[in-house]
Amino acid sequence: DTAVSQTPKYLVTQMGNDKSIKCEQNLGHDTMYWYKQDSKKFLKIMFSYNNKELIINETVPNRFSPKSPDKAHLNLHINSLELGDSAVYFCASSQGQRPQPQHFGDGTRLSIL
Amino acid sequence: QKEVEQNSGPLSVPEGAIASLNCTYSDRGSQSFFWYRQYSGKSPELIMSIYSNGDKEDGRFTAQLNKASQYVSLLIRDSQPSDSATYLCAVGWGGANNLFFGTGTRLTVIP
Repeated sequence: DTAVSQTPKYLVTQMGNDKSIKCEQNLGHDTMYWYKQDSKKFLKIMFSYNNKELIINETVPNRFSPKSPDKAHLNLHINSLELGDSAVYFCASSQGQRPQPQHFGDGTRLSIL
Repeated sequence: QKEVEQNSGPLSVPEGAIASLNCTYSDRGSQSFFWYRQYSGKSPELIMSIYSNGDKEDGRFTAQLNKASQYVSLLIRDSQPSDSATYLCAVGWGGANNLFFGTGTRLTVIP
């Protein structure tokens, strides 16, 4: 199936740990994103990559580091996890540089104990 | 600071009625406008996109855009209980493919 897929779906871990979330899209899109959705359901852009190049880097702690090995993959590594990092993280993709519809993965629910 | 505002609701309508969802945005340079539907515990799903002033219809959904008033709306005709979800308005600016989302309106369709 054509889709945006991210793993894992759930991530429960202790404060201070380091974790990674992976995302892959087979829609042939050239732009990928990471969003954070907090408990109030507000969806906020974190990063955007176009053809493996970082183009959007919103105000996000340095503990968050994206990496795009190719245009079909965008991973998110988080160091020294904090309680406030608990949220749902969505990966999305779209085609082109102008604002285009974005297609979302199913999300990774991160819970910090 | 670019802002997208929606009434958080909840908005309740009886089955078969028209649901009207509204969104305003702050930047006159906005070019692209999208409505997403998000069921509880699920990911946002694109239901409508609109780029020019006027109405755009797709099945039971109609998006309306008024750039002069910086206003975009979504009408859902013949509302069904399966339409119960949170509806997110998203606005795109300029050359960067960056969307700003509103906080969403929670819609409940009562059978």
